[in-house]
Amino acid sequence: KQEVTQIPAALSVPEGENLVLNCSFTDSAIYNLQWFRQDPGKGLTSLLLIQSSQREQTSGRLNASLDKSSGRSTLYIAASQPGDSATYLCAVSSDGSEKLVFGKGTKLTVNP
Amino acid sequence: GAVVSQHPSRVICKSGTSVKIECRSLDFQATTMFWYRQFPKQSLMLMATSNEGSKATYEQGVEKDKFLINHASLTLSTLTVTSAHPEDSSFYICSATGEHEKLFFGSGTQLSVL
Repeated sequence: KQEVTQIPAALSVPEGENLVLNCSFTDSAIYNLQWFRQDPGKGLTSLLLIQSSQREQTSGRLNASLDKSSGRSTLYIAASQPGDSATYLCAVSSDGSEKLVFGKGTKLTVNP
Repeated sequence: GAVVSQHPSRVICKSGTSVKIECRSLDFQATTMFWYRQFPKQSLMLMATSNEGSKATYEQGVEKDKFLINHASLTLSTLTVTSAHPEDSSFYICSATGEHEKLFFGSGTQLSVL
């Protein structure tokens, strides 16, 4: 059974700092991995999707890497801003379907 | 971009009553919808998968008679929590996908059962 773990559970940083969020999964036989952002009272927004054959994806100040063999992914946020404050979720798909296994998330607070 | 609307955003009910949560795709035909549940400080857990016009497929441990899912049209799926109890209090969220194969999430429903 696939299990996804995210570390740390919470993170508080000053504005402008670069930061890394970690995600690990127990079964390396994944199809893809996604990073989502969850804001209070709102739905999930997909940030980056990495296919199992890829090593990283970039979107603006966000960079996600994938090391499938070791079961790890990182989300790098450059020059953090208060607007980045949210809960970041990592999720994997094992068969290419939209059935996802989620981690518990990392709650990020960026202080002005 | 595609939008999935979920209502209500918050509901408080008495124990023993039933609660219906709606999930609508506003600008695309959602051939498949997913329902997730999230307890405090826990992961989002998939409850069931519903395809338009057919019975939902429930994940192990989810009672299909308690969590009724109806996906009668390509734009609407409903989750009804029947005879709700305090242990059903949780955050419920839907997601939908269509021909574009992208996945869009609703804004979630916080259910509190007194």
